Amino acid sequence: GQQVMQIPQYQHVQEGEDFTTYCNSSTTLSNIQWYKQRPGGHPVFLIQLVKSGEVKKQKRLTFQFGEAKKNSSLHITATQTTDVGTYFCAGYYNFNKFYFGSGTKLNVKP
Amino acid sequence: NAGVTQTPKFQVLKTGQSMTLQCAQDMNHEYMSWYRQDPGMGLRLIHYSVGAGITDQGEVPNGYNVSRSTTEDFPLRLLSAAPSQTSVYFCASSTAPGPPYEQYFGPGTRLTVT
Repeated sequence: GQQVMQIPQYQHVQEGEDFTTYCNSSTTLSNIQWYKQRPGGHPVFLIQLVKSGEVKKQKRLTFQFGEAKKNSSLHITATQTTDVGTYFCAGYYNFNKFYFGSGTKLNVKP
Repeated sequence: NAGVTQTPKFQVLKTGQSMTLQCAQDMNHEYMSWYRQDPGMGLRLIHYSVGAGITDQGEVPNGYNVSRSTTEDFPLRLLSAAPSQTSVYFCASSTAPGPPYEQYFGPGTRLTVT
């Protein structure tokens, strides 16, 4: 069946360091969404990527969608303690279903 | 707007009991879904609905039932609770699945089955 793999599972960084999480699908995605979940909270939508090779930026966050629409990444420049949480990708294959990656838990040491 | 609301926030059940998790949204969204979240496994889709009267199965539907009689409400029923159903349950809604629409999640229900 459809599956979206996400790595790494955990990332511990010093404040000011960069952070990247990667998602990979074995089959072509229609689009991919990214969510952030703070500890004890619920997932909150960050962004959606639709086009092959698309790159979108939100302040210190950069999102990329691969040319083959099978992989995506989220990069945070100069992490801050407010970036702490778990980041999920959610892939969509045109069958009314989203498939979430297992998430990357980011811890930022001040 | 309240967005997506879920009740209860916490629930403890004994094995074999049944219960209904409630989900409601006030955004007139057609697409609603239920996910369960287990440590290290992300969110897995249980059931979803593309409109009132229309439901379908997700990745992990066994042991759960849903119905959608109104646009606003999408309850999830556990038929006979098992310890394997201990999890955090999230309801989400969207105008429609896929672009350009984002999913809005409720605050979640933390369920423990003993």
